[in-house]
Amino acid sequence: DTGVSQDPRHKITKRGQNVTFRCDPISEHNRLYWYRQTLGQGPEFLTYFQNEAQLEKSRLLSDRFSAERPKGSFSTLEIQRTEQGDSAMYLCASSPKRGLAGGDTQYFGPGTRLTVL
Amino acid sequence: EDQVTQSPEALRLQEGESSSLNCSYTVSGLRGLFWYRQDPGKGPEFLFTLYSAGEEKEKERLKATLTKKESFLHITAPKPEDSATYLCAVQVGGSQGNLIFGKGTKLSVKP
Repeated sequence: DTGVSQDPRHKITKRGQNVTFRCDPISEHNRLYWYRQTLGQGPEFLTYFQNEAQLEKSRLLSDRFSAERPKGSFSTLEIQRTEQGDSAMYLCASSPKRGLAGGDTQYFGPGTRLTVL
Repeated sequence: EDQVTQSPEALRLQEGESSSLNCSYTVSGLRGLFWYRQDPGKGPEFLFTLYSAGEEKEKERLKATLTKKESFLHITAPKPEDSATYLCAVQVGGSQGNLIFGKGTKLSVKP
């Protein structure tokens, strides 16, 4: 069990560019969550996948954001036409099936720090 | 609206000086309450899950307790390596499991 991994760890981009982040959850965790965290704030929920199905999206997830989880394994989060307000830490978390031991607990990755110039 | 409030925002302790962090919550139906530790530039690290009032969990110098309205994270004889931001989050019953976080308490422990 190597934990949740995210790539890249840091991304600097210019306003208007598109960026894509990747998350690899803990193996056999079927649930995957994306959060966004700005300085001095707690993480805020963006979207949730159960296997390959995207089951919930926060109203924070504007039309410029899209997320996928093909084959229920890794996930990608894409931001199109980035804005300076998108600068934040993007966190991915995974958890096992509900009903299993620890099924409610989410384990977080190291995050991707996005800076939009 | 479901809400989590943590206090204080920041706490400075001397090494060995015990204290408590507070997390008060207002939710439609609590499924679970979670404590995480976050170091600068890193993702949150899971500490505890509490499910029902009266429940307590312990790990080294940390002890988490839960009532119907709030949770406390007690730190006994802290060391400088306990310095971090401590985040509290709730999971609401009937939701898809997403966590609602407070803003955190930044703890500094001086030697």
